[in-house]
Amino acid sequence: GENVEQHPSTLSVQEGDSAVIKCTYSDSASNYFPWYKQELGKGPQLIIDIRSNVGEKKDQRIAVTLNKTAKHFSLHITETQPEDSAVYFCAAHGNILTGGGNKLTFGTGTQLKVEL
Amino acid sequence: EAQVTQNPRYLITVTGKKLTVTCSQNMNHEYMSWYRQDPGLGLRQIYYSMNVEVTDKGDVPEGYKVSRKEKRNFPLILESPSPNQTSLYFCASSPIRLAGLPNSYEQYFGPGTRLTVT
Repeated sequence: GENVEQHPSTLSVQEGDSAVIKCTYSDSASNYFPWYKQELGKGPQLIIDIRSNVGEKKDQRIAVTLNKTAKHFSLHITETQPEDSAVYFCAAHGNILTGGGNKLTFGTGTQLKVEL
Repeated sequence: EAQVTQNPRYLITVTGKKLTVTCSQNMNHEYMSWYRQDPGLGLRQIYYSMNVEVTDKGDVPEGYKVSRKEKRNFPLILESPSPNQTSLYFCASSPIRLAGLPNSYEQYFGPGTRLTVT
């Protein structure tokens, strides 16, 4: 089955700096890659996603890049703010057409801390 | 308000005492899933359901049961809880979407249930 690795496990940045979180996946048939943000005491919430036919997607200060050949994707947060402090999870979704099912496989999470 | 609810939010129990964690969604989603979250291990899928009366094992199903008698509800059952099932549990739901359509597979998560088994 799919295996998703995520790095780093913790990341500390100064307010205003950029943060980058990287993930790799094993199943070349996976076709959807979301990023979830989990604030303390809450469930994960989708912040951005990218499909396999797109190389980059941006939404204000957040961007995601996908390299299908290398099977890795990254989350970029620019001009970080204290409210960006949270745990971030990457995930890969199986391809229904190739038997991957409606299943998300998550990375192990990155604790991002934005310091004043 | 569209949401996934879980009950209870916190539960402390003893080894072997059967318990049920309820999950309900009001978005008419076909797909529902249970995850457990443990430090350093991320979110691991326990069981999932593609629709009423259709359930299947995820990555870590041992020691758990589920049922899907109604579309909106997906309870998680621990018949004989053990200390290694101490964890944070999340229920999630999403619509079923076909590959190729320009939609996401966004999963909506509940607030979590913190379970401690002593």
